Amino acid sequence: NAGVTQTPKFQVLKTGQSMTLQCAQDMNHNSMYWYRQDPGMGLRLIYYSASEGTTDKGEVPNGYNVSRLNKREFSLRLESAAPSQTSVYFCASRLGPVEQPQHFGDGTRLSIL
Amino acid sequence: AQTVTQSQPEMSVQEAETVTLSCTYDTSESDYYLFWYKQPPSRQMILVIRQEAYKQQNATENRFSVNFQKAAKSFSLKISDSQLGDAAMYFCAYRSGADAGGTSYGKLTFGQGTILTVHP
Repeated sequence: NAGVTQTPKFQVLKTGQSMTLQCAQDMNHNSMYWYRQDPGMGLRLIYYSASEGTTDKGEVPNGYNVSRLNKREFSLRLESAAPSQTSVYFCASRLGPVEQPQHFGDGTRLSIL
Repeated sequence: AQTVTQSQPEMSVQEAETVTLSCTYDTSESDYYLFWYKQPPSRQMILVIRQEAYKQQNATENRFSVNFQKAAKSFSLKISDSQLGDAAMYFCAYRSGADAGGTSYGKLTFGQGTILTVHP
């Protein structure tokens, strides 16, 4: 059982390049989330998708776009990468009922030079 | 907006001893959930334990238990009989209970994390 799968696991970009981080879950979850984790800080929500066909901004959405391609997949795009976006990115999903916890992927370490 | 504070950047414990990690939060909501997540060096985010605010009884999962003080907005994690495998970063997280018609949609607000070292 794969759970939440993120690709790639590592990536190095140059400033100004674009990139899409992929996330897929096989648990038939309704809600999906993208977080970033910076040193000394907890995870911060970038965007989320409460259900297929909807997306909303989180705490730190600037510089990112998302697509909920279908119920399984939720991608995060950096159109013009900046060094400030160097971080570890986590995708998570949740079934839907309010008491259900989020399940996380293993993260993508992204470095922007 | 809700905030979560973990005031201990680092903690250490001897193997087989007990350690308590602190967490406080600020919210005006009455219905919410609290979580502790463990992040080992592998970077995985592993759910350790959760507490529903409407439950007075403290949650317990094997060697892990919480001390939930709703009035004080405190949610500490106690690890008993610490093991080397418990070494990790621990995050406290808050989630609103107001999904239906609300704007939280289950998003988590995290504390800054506490690095736990376990000495053999």
